[in-house]
Amino acid sequence: GAVVSQHPSWVICKSGTSVKIECRSLDFQATTMFWYRQFPKQSLMLMATSNEGSKATYEQGVEKDKFLINHASLTLSTLTVTSAHPEDSSFYICSARTGEDNQPQHFGDGTRLSIL
Amino acid sequence: AQSVTQLGSHVSVSEGALVLLRCNYSSSVPPYLFWYVQYPNQGLQLLLKYTSAATLVKGINGFEAEFKKSETSFHLTKPSAHMSDAAEYFCAVKKGGGNKLTFGTGTQLKVEL
Repeated sequence: GAVVSQHPSWVICKSGTSVKIECRSLDFQATTMFWYRQFPKQSLMLMATSNEGSKATYEQGVEKDKFLINHASLTLSTLTVTSAHPEDSSFYICSARTGEDNQPQHFGDGTRLSIL
Repeated sequence: AQSVTQLGSHVSVSEGALVLLRCNYSSSVPPYLFWYVQYPNQGLQLLLKYTSAATLVKGINGFEAEFKKSETSFHLTKPSAHMSDAAEYFCAVKKGGGNKLTFGTGTQLKVEL
């Protein structure tokens, strides 16, 4: 149980294009979803937290207009990197959890984004 | 604010030897604590969690961790390392009633023959 599917797993695209990453909870309802960014050999950096039907809460230093997050249902959240540039290249990971306080976050397998 | 310190960014053990990965936390309220494992180019997989029940928590793949309030520690152990245990391990803390996980910087475990 508690499976989170993230798609695509790998994206290569040209500078200036927008890229959408999907995160789905397959067997549970995710009240809250999280988006992280991970640089090589580093820990995860939280970008934003989203609750179903609400606007996402972004961490300090994360551009809201650059990283658009939508959490329209209890099983799907999307991250769109708009007008991507090479410095946006990174490993993006989503996670999801139910509304119960003591439940852990369950992570997707990540998306490797490479901007040429 | 919560924080997590993982001592040792790299740990190397022989196959069959004891695995000990250290994690110390700082929290103003009783925390929830987690250990996650990450294999290359993958997301994080939950190994185990402490949520104020038993202080000795057993997880998957033979791992366990003990919550020690007096030492503010939550070290991860496994009696006998296997080659497949080689991965990055992250300790994380969450405040009760909060949303955010605070991760440690990770420990890369290497298992040698």
